[in-house]
Amino acid sequence: SQQGEEDPQALSIQEGENATMNCSYKTSINNLQWYRQNSGRGLVHLILIRSNEREKHSGRLRVTLDTSKKSSSLLITASRAADTASYFCATDAYLSTGGTSYGKLTFGQGTILTVHP
Amino acid sequence: EAGVAQSPRYKIIEKRQSVAFWCNPISGHATLYWYQQILGQGPKLLIQFQNNGVVDDSQLPKDRFSAERLKGVDSTLKIQPAKLEDSAVYLCASSFARATGELFFGEGSRLTVL
Repeated sequence: SQQGEEDPQALSIQEGENATMNCSYKTSINNLQWYRQNSGRGLVHLILIRSNEREKHSGRLRVTLDTSKKSSSLLITASRAADTASYFCATDAYLSTGGTSYGKLTFGQGTILTVHP
Repeated sequence: EAGVAQSPRYKIIEKRQSVAFWCNPISGHATLYWYQQILGQGPKLLIQFQNNGVVDDSQLPKDRFSAERLKGVDSTLKIQPAKLEDSAVYLCASSFARATGELFFGEGSRLTVL
C-alpha cells in the first residue's frame, strides 16, 4: 500500500522559479525521505528529515515536516532545467514482526516536475 | 564506491514464461530490497532482506514471485509464470542501516510481458 500521497501530481515551471511539492502520510514515522528519479533511471536520495526535526536544508533544497498534520513539503529554489524529474516522498516506519524489528520505507506516487529553460 | 548493480536492464517475454533478475548490492550493505514500479506510480516494496533472512514479503505475490539472497550478498528475483500486469520496472536497493537511513538504488530492470 502507498503511505504517502503527493501533491501536485505534475508541476510545470520556468527556470529560476521555485518548485514546491507536498506529501501527506497516514501513520507514525521515524523519518521522511525525498528521492528523485530521472526518466528511465533509478531513484537517488535527496534528503532525510527525522520525526523530531521541523526543517532541513541541503543546497537548493528545503524540506519541512509537520508531524501533527502528517505532512511534509519539498522546496527547490531557483530551479534549473536539469531539475526536471519525478520526486517521491518516502516514509520510514519502524515495524516489528516475529521478534524482528526493521525499518520499512514506503513511497508515495510522486510529483512530475518539468522545468522549462 | 561501486553502486548497486542489476541485470538485465531490459527483458521482453510472453505471458506464462519465466524471468529472473539479479542484483548485487553495495559492499557491506546488510539490507537489500526489491521494489516494483509500475509506469506512473511510486515504487512498491516486494521483499526486504536483512542479511540473508526475509524481514518483509507481505506484498510479494508468492504464487508466482520468489526471491532469494545468496550468502547475504547477491539476490535473485524470479517470476514464474509471468502475467501481463507484471510489466514494470524492478528496482533493487540496498542500505547499510537496518532501521533508518537512505537507500541506494540500482538502475532497474524493465520487464515487458506480451
